[in-house]
Amino acid sequence: AAGVIQSPRHLIKEKRETATLKCYPIPRHDTVYWYQQGPGQDPQFLISFYEKMQSDKGSIPDRFSAQQFSDYHSELNMSSLELGDSALYFCASSSRGSGNTIYFGEGSWLTVV
Amino acid sequence: AQKITQTQPGMFVQEKEAVTLDCTYDTSDQSYGLFWYKQPSSGEMIFLIYQGSYDEQNATEGRYSLNFQKARKSANLVISASQLGDSAMYFCAMREGPVRGGKLTFGQGTILTVHP
Repeated sequence: AAGVIQSPRHLIKEKRETATLKCYPIPRHDTVYWYQQGPGQDPQFLISFYEKMQSDKGSIPDRFSAQQFSDYHSELNMSSLELGDSALYFCASSSRGSGNTIYFGEGSWLTVV
Repeated sequence: AQKITQTQPGMFVQEKEAVTLDCTYDTSDQSYGLFWYKQPSSGEMIFLIYQGSYDEQNATEGRYSLNFQKARKSANLVISASQLGDSAMYFCAMREGPVRGGKLTFGQGTILTVHP
């Protein structure tokens, strides 16, 4: 079965650079979530979209923005990167048809140097 | 206050035995969902099991079962017949708010080590 696809899997950026993460949800899933997991921490919710509209917002820095496109894929844009942005970034998706369960992608490892 | 509490930072179990990972939650919502995820050292977040607040029966998925005690606000994960590949971090999480877009709040996690 198709899963949540995230790209790139790994990226290294320098401070003050910009990074863009992409997420392709499971087909027919209408909701996308973004999470950030720092080293040794639990995942923290950043933002979610339902049917291409922002649904909920968590502790997402103003330097970050996200959107969901007409094909339901989503992108997380991170600007003016800081060392503290180094983390594992997860995208997840869900739909009523999947029994309200939320499936995660394999994550994108961002290292800021 | 913590919405999801996992009081066991680490647990050890012998291969083929059962283990229970504890999770308590705090919410004033009537409708919510409880999830367990497994995170191996490679980093991916693997969905294990889901329990809705209105589900009367405990959820089961293969070797995983969720011991849901609503009055006590607990949602413990039971893994039967542990395998070496079960060694990983386990997160309990709760979804409040709207079903569509409702965010997950995670507990601190429990590291499970399965001994041969």
